[in-house]
Amino acid sequence: QVQLVQSGAEVKKPGASVKVSCKASGYTFSTYGMTWVRQAPGLGLEWMGWISAYKGHTNYAQKLQGRVTLTTDTSTSTAYMELRSLGSDDTGVYYCARGTAEADYWGQGTLVTVSS
Amino acid sequence: DIQMTQSPSSLSASVGDRVTITCRASQGVRNYVAWFQQKPGKAPKSLIYFASSLRDGVPSRFSGSGSGTDFTLTISSLQAEDFATYSCQQYDSYPLTFGGGTKVEI
Repeated sequence: QVQLVQSGAEVKKPGASVKVSCKASGYTFSTYGMTWVRQAPGLGLEWMGWISAYKGHTNYAQKLQGRVTLTTDTSTSTAYMELRSLGSDDTGVYYCARGTAEADYWGQGTLVTVSS
Repeated sequence: DIQMTQSPSSLSASVGDRVTITCRASQGVRNYVAWFQQKPGKAPKSLIYFASSLRDGVPSRFSGSGSGTDFTLTISSLQAEDFATYSCQQYDSYPLTFGGGTKVEI
């Protein structure tokens, strides 16, 4: 069955970077893209961007452009999301989800806390 | 950016009730709307895509309808496990955007 397993919770200081991983199994990794979505505490879902697993094409949310980088490693079926220059408003749960438009399977989420 | 406005933001219902949640797009998104269910501390679960197509394994009491700017998610007979927050999403154009969510409470 399709599974997306994300890395564990992170605590970062303002200005630092975080890199979250998402290991896929149960399907052919290169045939699907990966979307990243985040959710601030008590708020709604926010699309961050997507990456095509095969050729690495990306599409980022404009508000995160320049701070976020999505990558994949097809040899390990793993997708990565790196976010730089963290601020307190980056605190939240980060999800990977299979697909580049509407996502069918989601990872369990990774809590990123930005605090001094 | 396309805004997705959900209503109501919350509702109280009982087991067996018929529940309808609406989502209005600020501009036409054709049929490119998905609906998700999210329980506290859990990842969203995909229920419906392309406005009315039910995901495999999702109970048939869930249904979606609409096109253009107005969409609805209906739960025909609410079950105990359906108490959750429901969100719509448009994927017609970037950036993809979500509605603010509807919390369905007992």
